[in-house]
Parts: sequence; structure tokens; C-alpha cells
Amino acid sequence: GQSLEQPSEVTAVEGAIVQINCTYQTSGFYGLSWYQQHDGGAPTFLSYNALDGLEETGRFSSFLSRSDSYGYLLLQELQMKDSASYFCAVIPNSGGYQKVTFGIGTKLQVIP
Amino acid sequence: DAGITQSPRHKVTETGTPVTLRCHQTENHRYMYWYRQDPGHGLRLIHYSYGVKDTDKGEVSDGYSVSRSKTEDFLLTLESATSSQTSVYFCAISRDRGGDEQFFGPGTRLTVL
Repeated sequence: GQSLEQPSEVTAVEGAIVQINCTYQTSGFYGLSWYQQHDGGAPTFLSYNALDGLEETGRFSSFLSRSDSYGYLLLQELQMKDSASYFCAVIPNSGGYQKVTFGIGTKLQVIP
Repeated sequence: DAGITQSPRHKVTETGTPVTLRCHQTENHRYMYWYRQDPGHGLRLIHYSYGVKDTDKGEVSDGYSVSRSKTEDFLLTLESATSSQTSVYFCAISRDRGGDEQFFGPGTRLTVL
């Protein structure tokens, strides 16, 4: 099976850097994705790591280490609009590439 | 933004009544999904489709059925709604192999009294 763990809440200061961790217990998976969701809105895709290492997309970076069963999302130069919930998600290789499992999300609050 | 719409956006219904939610896409993507989102549970997969008339169950499929008669439409039906099905329902689509990058619709807030 698969289980994803994320901190429920994180607070960070505008302009700073914040790291949101995702640890997992799974028998095997294809990759790890990250999504952002503002209150009342729909999730939006941020990044996908199929391989170990760092993927960078503008102010956002995502990292995966399969050997450590660990991934994280790094947000740099935080802006107030980054206040949102962030979800990690895995695609387990036991159930088909479409059966994505999401974590329960981390609520990020950016303060001035 | 991917062209995905959901209807209705809000619905209040009574226990025991049938409910159908519609997801419509204009992207011609192969894969379509239905999720529910509840506090403390994140997003949970109900059903998904990998082509016209091709569907499969997800993590929380009990009490739900789906149909996909056209590429662009994916319907979710609650045959007899229960209060435990009060939730926000999101449709999503993806191309290629499917699960790595999904585009979500605006959601439907369903309340079952």
C-alpha cells in the first residue's frame, strides 16, 4: 500500500524560503507530483519528479530521494499569493498509472 | 488553462435521491478522473476513465458509478445519495500515460441532507 505524510500547517515570512516535506511508505511508485490549491479553488499542477534529484520551475523546486522515501517542495522568494495548501501525490506502480494517491495537504501561511 | 467545466457547481439534495455530476473537457485528453475532497482526507480517487466506455474503480468507489460515452464527457452518478457523500467533487483530466500531471475542474460542492 501507500501512505503519504505531510505537515498539516507551515508558516513562513514573505520573501523567505520554505520547504514542505512529503514522506511516504509505498511498495513502489512511478513518480511524485506536487499540486497547489488556494482556498475555494481547484488544485493546480506544480511539478513532477520521475527520477531522484531536483526539478526547478521558477520560484518552485521539487526534490525526490527514493532511497530516503522522501520528497520536498521548495518555495523561494515567498509572496503573499503563495498562501495555499500544497499536496504531494504518488503514482503507485501496483495499481496502474492512473491511480494517484494524494497526501492530505500542507496549509502554508505567508505572513508579512 | 485546460478547458474543463463541471456542472452543477453547487447542489443540495436529500438522502436517497439520485444525483449526476457532469464533467466536460475541450482538450481531447484520454484520461478523466473523479475525486472527492474532504477535510482531513485530501483528494481521494472515486473512478477514472482511460477511454470511451473504459472505466475503473478508485479508492472510494462504493456508492458511485460513472459513464463515458464521449471523449469529452465523464459523468458521476450517486444512485441513492447519503449524507456521507456530502463533499466537494473534482473532475480532472490528463494526457499521455495519465497520472503525473492532472488538470482539475472548478469543483462541485454537493450537500446531502
